[in-house]
Amino acid sequence: EVELVESGGDLVQPGRSLRLSCAASGFTVSGNYVSWVRQAPGKGLEWVSMIYSGGSTSYADSVKGRFTISRDNSKNTLYLQMSSLRAEDTAVYYCARARNQWLALYFDHWGQGTLVTVSS
Amino acid sequence: AIQLTQSPSSLSASVGDRVTITCRASQGIDSALGWYQQQPGKAPKLLIFDASTLETGVPSRFSGGGSGTDFTLTITSLQPEDFATYYCQQFNSYPTFGQGTRLEIK
Repeated sequence: EVELVESGGDLVQPGRSLRLSCAASGFTVSGNYVSWVRQAPGKGLEWVSMIYSGGSTSYADSVKGRFTISRDNSKNTLYLQMSSLRAEDTAVYYCARARNQWLALYFDHWGQGTLVTVSS
Repeated sequence: AIQLTQSPSSLSASVGDRVTITCRASQGIDSALGWYQQQPGKAPKLLIFDASTLETGVPSRFSGGGSGTDFTLTITSLQPEDFATYYCQQFNSYPTFGQGTRLEIK
């Protein structure tokens, strides 16, 4: 059974850094596409970053240069290193596996989310 | 970047009703569109992919249609557990989501 469990969310001051983790089971992060998707309080879903099975990465413009996605294949865990945090980064952060269908990628499994609050 | 616009933003309906939510893409995306359901405080759940294919385990009262720029999610005979927020999603270079449609009980 596929499972994703996020951790690391916290209250952090603007300008500081934070690292989120997502422990995967039931599949390998190295063999799949895995993403971070966030949701600000009372708002919609916003894709943040993706790491592909080959190791390449992509980022939303809103976080490019500040966030870094990575994975530890030995721990089957996904990470999101966030730096220079801003108030607008406040959100629940979900990790999600992206399934590669014929036409596109779709997020077929999600974690429960971890809350990041950026405030002084 | 391809933008997705959902309508309506919110919708009130009763158990047993049929409802339709629309998602419009800013440019053609063939049939490369998914629909998600999100209950309050929960993670989203994939309902439909490739515009009209039901994800395993999703009840048949959910259906999707459309191609190009205009897509629909239809729920027939609404059940109490269907009152939630629904999002469309596309992937062209990178994923984007619609702004969401909140389905409330009338």
